[in-house]
Amino acid sequence: GDSVTQMEGPVTLSEEAFLTINCTYTATGYPSLFWYVQYPGEGLQLLLKATKADDKGSNKGFEATYRKETTSFHLEKGSVQVSDSAVYFCALRGGNQFYFGTGTSLTVIP
Amino acid sequence: NAGVTQTPKFRVLKTGQSMTLLCAQDMNHEYMYWYRQDPGMGLRLIHYSVGEGTTAKGEVPDGYNVSRLKKQNFLLGLESAAPSQTSVYFCASSPTLPTGELFFGEGSRLTVL
Repeated sequence: GDSVTQMEGPVTLSEEAFLTINCTYTATGYPSLFWYVQYPGEGLQLLLKATKADDKGSNKGFEATYRKETTSFHLEKGSVQVSDSAVYFCALRGGNQFYFGTGTSLTVIP
Repeated sequence: NAGVTQTPKFRVLKTGQSMTLLCAQDMNHEYMYWYRQDPGMGLRLIHYSVGEGTTAKGEVPDGYNVSRLKKQNFLLGLESAAPSQTSVYFCASSPTLPTGELFFGEGSRLTVL
């Protein structure tokens, strides 16, 4: 069945450091891929998405590229800020079902 | 722009009590979902609906019931609450478009004593 595996956390970085959170997936067909962010005490918000191979999703300085050959959708940001501290979830959509990774907690320290 | 609205936001129950969580969406989405989120467990799908009058079981349906009498509403019921159901519950909706994303509510924190 479809599934998502993402990098375990927690991750702690200094402000302005480079961020990578790894995400790989298993799916039949051609799923859409998503990154969601959850700030403390809030619901999940869509951060970015990509709907076909080689698409790059981007938002708020974050980027992820849909790599079909490696079945990956790694999240990157060149320079993190304290305000990026949150939990990040990788997800895929297969039909009417969504599959989530377990989440990666990111803390950015000044 | 309300999006997905959940009520109540917080609730404390005693073991054995019943309650209903209401989810309402104003985006005319066909698909609606209930998830629970527990520390270290990520999101787990409880039940979902692909249209008015339809419901289906997800990964962890035991102890919960749902109804989708109107397209915009998806109710999650606990008939006899147990401490194991202490969790944060999220409702979400999505369009039928295969590239469409999930839109989440803000969550409902439930504590069962």
